[in-house]
This record gives sequence, structure tokens and C-alpha cells, in this order.
Amino acid sequence: ELKVEQNPLFLSMQEGKNYTIYCNYSTTSDRLYWYRQDPGKSLESLFVLLSNGAVKQEGRLMASLDTKARLSTLHITAAVHDLSATYFCAVDREGSQGNLIFGKGTKLSVKP
Amino acid sequence: DTGVSQNPRHKITKRGQNVTFRCDPISEHNRLYWYRQTLGQGPEFLTYFQNEAQLEKSRLLSDRFSAERPKGSFSTLEIQRTEQGDSAMYLCASRQGGFGSGTRLTVV
Repeated sequence: ELKVEQNPLFLSMQEGKNYTIYCNYSTTSDRLYWYRQDPGKSLESLFVLLSNGAVKQEGRLMASLDTKARLSTLHITAAVHDLSATYFCAVDREGSQGNLIFGKGTKLSVKP
Repeated sequence: DTGVSQNPRHKITKRGQNVTFRCDPISEHNRLYWYRQTLGQGPEFLTYFQNEAQLEKSRLLSDRFSAERPKGSFSTLEIQRTEQGDSAMYLCASRQGGFGSGTRLTVV
């Protein structure tokens, strides 16, 4: 059974600091997704990573994928308050028709 | 704005009542997915349609749950005899359109 584990589950950071969120998954997968969710809202797609070594960056967020280690990271650079949200990684189960398996999410709080 | 709209946004119902949610993707989105998200958890897959055919159902989808997608356009998710444990956000998604804004169900 495919499992997706994120850590940490809760992260409190100060503005200006850097940090990394980790996402491990248990079996091979076609692709890995990162989403952001604000309280009471739906999921906003951040990144889709398709191959080993893939790296994508948008603003202060950078995501990478190591398929051999079954590990993805979401790196936050010089955090700002607006980044406060819950971040989910999700994996497209190999051979599936696109239904995703999600981690439990990392709740990020950026404090001044 | 995504390519998927859902309604209602919120639904409060009494235990034992039936509820129905609707999802409208942009018409050319042939794959449509339903997920459920409880508080503090990630979304969990419920079921998936390829056009009008329901091709996969999760074990989470008990016999009180039924989903349809007539003519491969909009989809409905019905929950019969609701229970308090059904309280959650129900999310619809398409491959191209991403996730809709969801329907938050509260069973009292």
C-alpha cells in the first residue's frame, strides 16, 4: 500500500529564516505534487515533479524530487508571513488513473 | 479560479438525512475525482470517473455513498442516512482544472 509521510507536521518559523519540509513515499510513483491550503479553502497547486532530479522554483519556494530515495523536499527561503498555510505533498500511484495519495500536511506558521 | 466549481459551499444537515453535492468541471475535462478531507488530515480519494464511467471506488466509499456523472459532464455525490462521521470537506477535482473550492458538510 502506498504511504506518504511528511515531516514536520507543524512548523513555526520566524520571518527571514530558511527551512525544509520533507515528503517520503513508500512505493514507485509517476509524479509528485505539492499543494498549499489556506484555512477553510481548497487546494492550490504549487508544483508537479515528474522525474528524478526535477527541481522547480516559484518565489521563495523550491521543490525537488529524488525518486531513488522516494523523497521530495519543499525548501522555504527567507520566509514571510504570507507563506503561512498548510502544505501537502501527494503522489500519483504508479499505474493509477491519477488518483492521488496525500500526506497529512505540514502546518506552517511564519511569525514576525 | 479553477476549472472546477462545486456547490453548495456549505451544508448543515441533521443526522439521518440525505445530502447531494454537485461538481461542474469545464466540459472537456474527461477525468473527474472526488476526495474527502477531515479536519487536520490530507484529502483521501473516494472515487473517479472517466467521462460517464465510474472506474474506481475507494474502500472509504460505503454503500451509503453514491456518485454519478451522467453524460460525462457534471457529477453528483450523494450521501444517504448521514452520520456525524461524514462531516468533512468534499472536494472535486479534474486533471486539468485542479481542485474545486469544496463543499463543507456538517452533520449535527
